Amino acid sequence: AQRVTQPEKLLSVFKGAPVELKCNYSYSGSPELFWYVQYSRQRLQLLLRHISRESIKGFTADLNKGETSFHLKKPFAQEEDSAMYYCALIDTDKLIFGTGTRLQVFP
Amino acid sequence: GAGVSQSPSNKVTEKGKDVELRCDPISGHTALYWYRQRLGQGLEFLIYFQGNSAPDKSGLPSDRFSAERTGESVSTLTIQRTQQEDSAVYLCASSLDRRQPQHFGDGTRLSIL
Repeated sequence: AQRVTQPEKLLSVFKGAPVELKCNYSYSGSPELFWYVQYSRQRLQLLLRHISRESIKGFTADLNKGETSFHLKKPFAQEEDSAMYYCALIDTDKLIFGTGTRLQVFP
Repeated sequence: GAGVSQSPSNKVTEKGKDVELRCDPISGHTALYWYRQRLGQGLEFLIYFQGNSAPDKSGLPSDRFSAERTGESVSTLTIQRTQQEDSAVYLCASSLDRRQPQHFGDGTRLSIL
């Protein structure tokens, strides 16, 4: 079955520290993966998608098919990065989401 | 419009009542999705509409759940004979087409007493 796993419910770091939010997936075929973010009192929004291979707000994510991972990384966390992060993949047009990781960045 | 609009933002109702949730997608978006998010869990796909094609209802948890969409406009999600386990945030999303990024509404928080 298609599945997205985010093993950490909560990740706490200090400002300036590197961040890596883990995402592993199970998918038969070529996956299309996304990271969505939800800031406090805001709606869920797209952060980045793997096919774009871009960096948004300093975040990057590389698809590793060998490890079936799509970890989200940022070299220097900022307080404004504090949010809920969801990894997702497209399966027959619908998104399958992980359970999310709450990132807390302390000053 | 500014984005996907959902109403009501909050709904509290008694067990056994029917509820209707509304979603206004972004104008021009042909694809519309409903998801459910229970407390502490990820988003769970419910149903997907693409233009005038038959909807993908594979995520609906029971026959108490149904949804309609007229053309490429408003959609309503109806839950009949609500149960306490239906308590969740119901999110709607729309996209230009099925392979484009989805834009989410603020959701409707449904509480069943």
